[in-house]
Amino acid sequence: DSGVTQTPKHLITATGQRVTLRCSPRSGDLSVYWYQQSLDQGLQFLIQYYNGEERAKGNILERFSAQQFPDLHSELNLSSLELGDSALYFCASSVEAYEETQYFGPGTRLLVL
Amino acid sequence: AQTVTQSQPEMSVQEAETVTLSCTYDTSESDYYLFWYKQPPSRQMILVIRQEAYKQQNATENRFSVNFQKAAKSFSLKISDSQLGDAAMYFCAYQAYNNNDMRFGAGTRLTVKP
Repeated sequence: DSGVTQTPKHLITATGQRVTLRCSPRSGDLSVYWYQQSLDQGLQFLIQYYNGEERAKGNILERFSAQQFPDLHSELNLSSLELGDSALYFCASSVEAYEETQYFGPGTRLLVL
Repeated sequence: AQTVTQSQPEMSVQEAETVTLSCTYDTSESDYYLFWYKQPPSRQMILVIRQEAYKQQNATENRFSVNFQKAAKSFSLKISDSQLGDAAMYFCAYQAYNNNDMRFGAGTRLTVKP
C-alpha cells in the first residue's frame, strides 16, 4: 500500500458525459501527478500540481482539467467523454516538486460506453 | 524528446533463476533519474528501484539490481532468485532533472514458471 488513495475504483459512463476522479496523496506529500494508462498509448503523464499550483503539463486533452485543493487532495475532471478515454487513470504523489520518487495510487478504471 | 524503449514485450524465467529485463532511453540531458516500476495483476504501480544518473554505482534493492550504462543509455533490471510473486508487467521510466514529465517504456511482461 503506497498511501495514495483514489476513488472511485471503477467508473462506467456514457459518451458525452463528465466524470470526476479523486486522489488523496500520501501524508506529507505536496505534489500530485495524474497519468493515463491505455492499451494504445501506454502510460502517459497528464499533469502535475504542487501545493495547489499547476507545475507541469503533459499530454492532457483540453476536455480534461485538474485542480489541487488546500487540503492537497486533487481531482481530475474529464468532460465530453469519448470511447477512447477508456483507460486506467493513476494518481501519484511525492514530497516535493522535483527530484522525487513518485508513489502511485491503485488507479481508477474508467469505461466509456 | 526523451523516449524509453523496452525491446522485450515478454520474458519468462524459472523460479529461483535469474532474469534480466532490458531498457534503453534517448536523452540529451546529463542529469536525470531512471526507475523500474512493477505492475502486478492488481494494476497497482509499485516502485522497484531508482537510479540517479550522476551516481556511477548501480542501485540494488534486495534481489533487484540494475546495470546502468550511461554512455550507452542502457538501464537493465536483474531479478535474482525469481519468485512467483515477481510475475508482473515491468516498466522502465525516465525523468529528467527538474522536469516531472516521467516517460515510460511500453513494458515487459514477466512470467515466472514454478
